[in-house]
Amino acid sequence: SQTIHQWPATLVQPVGSPLSLECTVEGTSNPNLYWYRQAAGRGLQLLFYSVGIGQISSEVPQNLSASRPQDRQFILSSKKLLLSDSGFYLCAWSGQGGIQYFGPGTRLLVL
Amino acid sequence: AQSVTQLGSHVSVSEGALVLLRCNYSSSVPPYLFWYVQYPNQGLQLLLKYTSAATLVKGINGFEAEFKKSETSFHLTKPSAHMSDAAEYFCAVTSNTGFQKLVFGTGTRLLVSP
Repeated sequence: SQTIHQWPATLVQPVGSPLSLECTVEGTSNPNLYWYRQAAGRGLQLLFYSVGIGQISSEVPQNLSASRPQDRQFILSSKKLLLSDSGFYLCAWSGQGGIQYFGPGTRLLVL
Repeated sequence: AQSVTQLGSHVSVSEGALVLLRCNYSSSVPPYLFWYVQYPNQGLQLLLKYTSAATLVKGINGFEAEFKKSETSFHLTKPSAHMSDAAEYFCAVTSNTGFQKLVFGTGTRLLVSP
């Protein structure tokens, strides 16, 4: 069966520091991968998606970036965090049929 | 373009009462529709999906939803609420053509009182 992992689970970072969040999927090949952000009390905002290694599409202009160095690995990064980057970050994967399966999330607090 | 509207950011019910969470969608192509549930500090879990087969879709935990094309709705129901149903619920839409990006509603928090 397929599983999706995210780490770290929780992160507290100072403003201006770098960020790296990792997502890995097991049990499937060539998945579509997604990064979402969920701000407190709000819905899900799609940040990036990827249909293959090295292929990244950005949905929202911001100081975040994403990379997909391996088929089942998706990384969310920032060179300098802003206060507004705080939130709950969710990674998801999908195969055929459009169903997206979500990871457990990373809660980021920028102080 | 596709969109989803969830009426009511909060819905309160008593344990044992009917649960009704509303979702209306907009789509220029035949939609695929989903309901997800999110418990505190967790990811989203798929409750059920509509993909152009039966219009009444049954999901996990006793939930079901009915696709009504004429009303562009996909409301989520459960006959009898349990305390464990307290969570946030998201409706989402995608299409069955091309790359399938999910468009989510803003969510409805279900509160269940004893």
